[in-house]
Amino acid sequence: EPEVTQTPSHQVTQMGQEVILRCVPISNHLYFYWYRQILGQKVEFLVSFYNNEISEKSEIFDDQFSVERPDGSNFTLKIRSTKLEDSAMYFCASRRGTGAIQYFGAGTRLSVL
Amino acid sequence: AQTVTQSQPEMSVQEAETVTLSCTYDTSESDYYLFWYKQPPSRQMILVIRQEAYKQQNATENRFSVNFQKAAKSFSLKISDSQLGDAAMYFCAYRSGGDNYGQNFVFGPGTRLSVLP
Repeated sequence: EPEVTQTPSHQVTQMGQEVILRCVPISNHLYFYWYRQILGQKVEFLVSFYNNEISEKSEIFDDQFSVERPDGSNFTLKIRSTKLEDSAMYFCASRRGTGAIQYFGAGTRLSVL
Repeated sequence: AQTVTQSQPEMSVQEAETVTLSCTYDTSESDYYLFWYKQPPSRQMILVIRQEAYKQQNATENRFSVNFQKAAKSFSLKISDSQLGDAAMYFCAYRSGGDNYGQNFVFGPGTRLSVLP
């Protein structure tokens, strides 16, 4: 069964460093998402991406964040200068089309020290 | 903006018994989808069941079923014959329907379910 793949599973970084979280969505999917879950809290929407551009973003998704689909298969989330409060589980999701289910990856746990 | 509420932070159930997790939501839209996701200790998000708002029939997936009350904006999850592997955090989620390219999920705060042997 096709699945959304996220790498790495755990990323440790120093405050102020740049990190790139990688996702490979399901191959025929058209809509891509990033969500964040701070430990013990609910899952929060960050950004959605369609047709090579951001279609929607939340207040969390400030200038420190960016997304890219560099090669038609990967979908990346970059945090330019990480802060302690960026420590969270980051989930990538994708779906095929209108009405279709969003499939989530297993997540990347980001720890900012 | 849509909101999703789960009023039970924690629930427990005896193995083989039935448990119901509550979810209410607030929206002015008529076209939307509702989901229950399970998050085990591995923290992966696993789809349990989904419901289209335009369907009156309650969705069922094996031991999992929902009670969708559109007028009351209620979407509860019933787990029958509970198993130890059902122990997890359960999130209720809402997504807009229609021709909306974003269609991001709005999640509730979650209910932690413990299954007692």
